[in-house]
Amino acid sequence: SQTIHQWPATLVQPVGSPLSLECTVEGTSNPNLYWYRQAAGRGLQLLFYSVGIGQISSEVPQNLSASRPQDRQFILSSKKLLLSDSGFYLCAWRSPSGFTSNTDTQYFGPGTRLTVL
Amino acid sequence: DAKTTQPNSMESNEEEPVHLPCNHSTISGTDYIHWYRQLPSQGPEYVIHGLTSNVNNRMASLAIAEDRKSSTLILHRATLRDAAVYYCILRDARLVVGTTDSWGKFQFGAGTQVVVTP
Repeated sequence: SQTIHQWPATLVQPVGSPLSLECTVEGTSNPNLYWYRQAAGRGLQLLFYSVGIGQISSEVPQNLSASRPQDRQFILSSKKLLLSDSGFYLCAWRSPSGFTSNTDTQYFGPGTRLTVL
Repeated sequence: DAKTTQPNSMESNEEEPVHLPCNHSTISGTDYIHWYRQLPSQGPEYVIHGLTSNVNNRMASLAIAEDRKSSTLILHRATLRDAAVYYCILRDARLVVGTTDSWGKFQFGAGTQVVVTP
């Protein structure tokens, strides 16, 4: 069965420090991968998505970047964190293998809660 | 993907049914209706989806209006564990292969906060 991991679970970082959040997926090949951010009490905002190694699409201009160095690894980074980067970061995957009603489901990881002070 | 409209919040007593409405008046013929829910401090999880016919699974039922411009997620007997934010999402079923097209994106709105009272 497929599983998705994120770490760390929680993180407290000072303003201006770098960031690296990691997401890995097991049990599937060539997944579509997504990074979302959720500010406190708000909905999910899609940040990046990837359909393959080295292929990253950015949804909104921001202080963050994403990379996909391996098929099942997705990394969210920042060189200098801002206060506004605080939030709950979620990684998700879905099957890329064409569309059927049963494969069009996103599976989310447990999330990383980031607090920038 | 077309837009959806949901109430901000709904309350229910434990063991009673909950009917969560979703309006999607601009839905296209190729849009599937998906529901996800997000428990506190967790990532969203899939609940159910459908196209035209009503659907049932172990978690919930999905009732789709005949004109498909609205749908209702039904939790038959609410438990405290069902307290969550419920998201109604439309997904275009047309396949796009081998591109970085945004077809794969899920657009999550604000959802409906369900409060279950013991």
